[in-house]
This record gives sequence, structure tokens and C-alpha cells, in this order.
Amino acid sequence: GEDVEQSLFLSVREGDSSVINCTYTDSSSTYLYWYKQEPGAGLQLLTYIFSNMDMKQDQRLTVLLNKKDKHLSLRIADTQTGDSAIYFCAEGPLRSGYALNFGKGTSLLVTP
Amino acid sequence: EADIYQTPRYLVIGTGKKITLECSQTMGHDKMYWYQQDPGMELHLIHYSYGVNSTEKGDLSSESTVSRIRTEHFPLTLESARPSHTSQYLCASSSTGLNEKLFFGSGTQLSVL
Repeated sequence: GEDVEQSLFLSVREGDSSVINCTYTDSSSTYLYWYKQEPGAGLQLLTYIFSNMDMKQDQRLTVLLNKKDKHLSLRIADTQTGDSAIYFCAEGPLRSGYALNFGKGTSLLVTP
Repeated sequence: EADIYQTPRYLVIGTGKKITLECSQTMGHDKMYWYQQDPGMELHLIHYSYGVNSTEKGDLSSESTVSRIRTEHFPLTLESARPSHTSQYLCASSSTGLNEKLFFGSGTQLSVL
């Protein structure tokens, strides 16, 4: 399928804000998702945004959507060492009608 | 508590063995999926199912097979494991509808020697 692009690696200091960026390709996608994967675990849904919204805030998480540029970002405020994980952006449902299209994941490292 | 379970958590086997990775969910979801995750983190959809007796191949060609005889159960089988099958296998499920919120199991880390 078409690619969802993410940068592969991000390193931030504890207490700073983290911003993870993603570009998607399917303009018919209704929802866009952020998943978190901790070492040795499955993926956990962090948050999602409906495509007719441009912002969603959930505690320390802020999702921004620029539908014109097909750009999605996840901002984590006051980043903690426990936020170190891999973050996947995903779009769906797809024109093909099934599943989600995942990015390759961004590995976030939070240093003390 | 509604959840999705995968067993075993880790599996180390020799080449040529037949294995079955188990996946069960108690959420009543119609849709279930198997993803293969390589060490570079990327997820590849290898199988999916929209309900009982429905199975389809995903984007990545796989030598594994799946079955869906019961809504809650979606096992994946490798008839003859090879070292190239060494990977993390993730099972997921979702309810029917536009919002494809996937719920993932903890994964099975398979190592074929």
C-alpha cells in the first residue's frame, strides 16, 4: 500500500515537549491514530482524531491534523522517561476497506 | 475483563517443526488481524478475518495459514518453520465500523533455529 511516513528516531530530555510527525497518503481516511509500543509488548492505542477535526487534546497529549498537507503530529508535554517507546501513526479505514495503514514507527528516547 | 490474549509469549523451536500461535479475544470483535513485526519495527499485515469462516491474506506474503472457526479465536499455523520465520507476531482485533480502533495482544516472539 501507499506509505505513511514518520521519522525513525527522536531524543528529548525529561521535562521537555516531544513532537512526533507523520505524513499520510489516503485522503479518504476517516480516522488517524497514534499507537504506543513499549519494549516487548503489543501496540496500545494512545489517541485518535476524526478527519474533520484539526486538534484534539487529551491530558499531556495533543494531536494536530493538517488535512490539506496530510500531516499529523503528536505532542507530548512534560515528557517522562516512561514515555520512551515506539510511536506508530496509522490511517484508516482505507479505500481497500480493511485494516489500517501503519507508519514504520518513531522510536522516542527520553533522557534524564 | 475484555481483552486479547496471545500464547505463547516466547517460542524457540527447531527448523521443520509445525507450530500454532494462539490468539483469543473476549471483546466480541468481528475483525481480527495478524501482523508480523520485523526488528526494524515495521508492521506487516499477513492475515485478516472479517468474521467466522472468513480469512484473507494481507499485504505481506506469508507461508503461514489461519483459521476462524469461532469469533473469539484466530490461530496462526506454520506447517514447517524456518529461520526466516523468526519474528514478532502480533494479533489484533477491532469492532465493525468506521473507527478501526485496533486492540493488540502482547505478541509472540518466535525464534526458529
